[in-house]
Amino acid sequence: DAGVTQSPTHLIKTRGQQVTLRCSPKSGHDTVSWYQQALGQGPQFIFQYYEEEERQRGNFPDRFSGHQFPNYSSELNVNALLLGDSALYLCASSGPGGRPPGGTQYFGPGTRLLVL
Amino acid sequence: AQSVAQPEDQVNVAEGNPLTVKCTYSVSGNPYLFWYVQYPNRGLQFLLKYITGDNLVKGSYGFEAEFNKSQTSFHLKKPSALVSDSALYFCAVSSHLQIGNQFYFGTGTSLTVIP
Repeated sequence: DAGVTQSPTHLIKTRGQQVTLRCSPKSGHDTVSWYQQALGQGPQFIFQYYEEEERQRGNFPDRFSGHQFPNYSSELNVNALLLGDSALYLCASSGPGGRPPGGTQYFGPGTRLLVL
Repeated sequence: AQSVAQPEDQVNVAEGNPLTVKCTYSVSGNPYLFWYVQYPNRGLQFLLKYITGDNLVKGSYGFEAEFNKSQTSFHLKKPSALVSDSALYFCAVSSHLQIGNQFYFGTGTSLTVIP
């Protein structure tokens, strides 16, 4: 049983560019959350997708957007990249049904984004 | 708003000694508490969680944690540390009042087990 997978593993972009990160959830999971982990920090919640809709959003600007597909996989898009967007981006899945709130989230290995 | 504090950035312990990694939380509603471990260049691995019931929770790799409602704490413990336990540990919280099950993490504690 494959766990949560993310692609690519590493990415280098320049300021102002756009980036798309991808995530496939663990089998049987239908809820996907994205987190940003800056160097030396804990993961910060970006948003969560369930039933192809953004269910909750953290304190991130509109430059951060996402999508969930019918097969539950998800994308994170970041526009107009800033140097401060350099971080490890983690995807986590849970479910089924996204309930209860105490459900465990299982994390992928992350995508390390470097913005120059 | 939910928040987690991990007061120690770094914990050092000798191999074979007991270890404790501290976590306190602030949450609206009933807390759901989690511990994850992160090895270099890796994602987060689930160790254990407290949802309800017994305050002492046992998890993977011999780790356990004690939920203390009056002190709003959820400290991670292990009776005998291994060198392979050296890693970054994160405490996370969610709440039964949330619409989704997003987590709020602490800043992490780096554990070093000295041979």
